[in-house]
Amino acid sequence: GQNIDQPTEMTATEGAIVQINCTYQTSGFNGLFWYQQHAGEAPTFLSYNVLDGLEEKGRFSSFLSRSKGYSYLLLKELQMKDSASYLCAVKDSNYQLIWGAGTKLIIKP
Amino acid sequence: GAVVSQHPSWVICKSGTSVKIECRSLDFQATTMFWYRQFPKQSLMLMATSNEGSKATYEQGVEKDKFLINHASLTLSTLTVTSAHPEDSSFYICSATGLAGESGEQYFGPGTRLTVT
Repeated sequence: GQNIDQPTEMTATEGAIVQINCTYQTSGFNGLFWYQQHAGEAPTFLSYNVLDGLEEKGRFSSFLSRSKGYSYLLLKELQMKDSASYLCAVKDSNYQLIWGAGTKLIIKP
Repeated sequence: GAVVSQHPSWVICKSGTSVKIECRSLDFQATTMFWYRQFPKQSLMLMATSNEGSKATYEQGVEKDKFLINHASLTLSTLTVTSAHPEDSSFYICSATGLAGESGEQYFGPGTRLTVT
């Protein structure tokens, strides 16, 4: 079966750095996405990785290792507004998105 | 660019009635639209995938006669929840893909919160 694993919840301090991990087992791989979802709102796109390595976009970076079936989202200089759920999603061989359950990130002052 | 709208943003209806939710891509042509449902504190659950002009493909366990999807144009898809029951109360979100040359990321609408009383 297809599976995406993420921690359920993480807590971090304002101004610090946090890394949210995602491991996946899917039938084929055509890219990995990270989305941010604030409570009661729809997800918004953060990043896309299809090749191994690190993609940096401002305070957010995403890393991918296809051989390990592993990705992480790195958030730097945390702000209170970063409190949200972070969803990892993998596009499989049929180009269908398989979603993780999301990681709820709590930022404390 | 890549804006997707949904209407209504929230709706309350009585059990047994039907509710229609619209999803529009405002500044691009959406070749494919997706409908998701999300219960509180749970992840997104894909209900169906629809391509313009063809029948929607429903995920296993989703009743196609209860959740009617119409994708009549490249900018509009509708989801009709027929004979709604309280257990259908949920957050319904649509998304769309279709911009040329991009990664196939899905652009999400703001969601529709449905409460069935």
